[in-house]
Amino acid sequence: AQSVTQLDSHVSVSEGTPVLLRCNYSSSYSPSLFWYVQHPNKGLQLLLKYTSAATLVKGINGFEAEFKKSETSFHLTKPSAHMSDAAEYFCVVSDRNFNKFYFGSGTKLNVKP
Amino acid sequence: DAGITQSPRHKVTETGTPVTLRCHQTENHRYMYWYRQDPGHGLRLIHYSYGVKDTDKGEVSDGYSVSRSKTEDFLLTLESATSSQTSVYFCAISESTDRGEQFFGPGTRLTVL
Repeated sequence: AQSVTQLDSHVSVSEGTPVLLRCNYSSSYSPSLFWYVQHPNKGLQLLLKYTSAATLVKGINGFEAEFKKSETSFHLTKPSAHMSDAAEYFCVVSDRNFNKFYFGSGTKLNVKP
Repeated sequence: DAGITQSPRHKVTETGTPVTLRCHQTENHRYMYWYRQDPGHGLRLIHYSYGVKDTDKGEVSDGYSVSRSKTEDFLLTLESATSSQTSVYFCAISESTDRGEQFFGPGTRLTVL
């Protein structure tokens, strides 16, 4: 069965410093993987997705993630945090047929001035 | 933005009353989903639909039913609401040809007293 583990429920960084949000997945096939962002009292927006092409995926707002099959990881990074990055981030894995999805429990990112 | 609307956006109801939430899309996507979001749990799949009149259960389907009589509409019904169903409900759509990218509605905040 598929599952997703987000290793940190809260991450706090200072503005201008790097961001690392960690995600590990469990799957018996090659899934699609996604990162979504949710700002307070808003819906979810796709940041980036991995769909078996390049293992380093670039997304919106300077975020990127690297698919590492050997480590079953899909960590989200950004070189320099901005105050507007403060939000909750969800790592998501698809099922084999790409029509059901499993969400991690989320990581809340706090950015300090 | 993908054309997805949810109605109502906010609802307060009493235990034991029936409640129906509506999701409407203008994208003609095949798949539609209902999730609930609760603190510490991320989003959990309630039910999904893979076509008109074709639906299947998700991981938290007890107490919920769905119907899809038209491509554009997906209804979620709580037959007899309970306080444990107080949550934020999100509708999403996708096409599996995209390897699963989902687009989310704005959410419905449901409070069961």
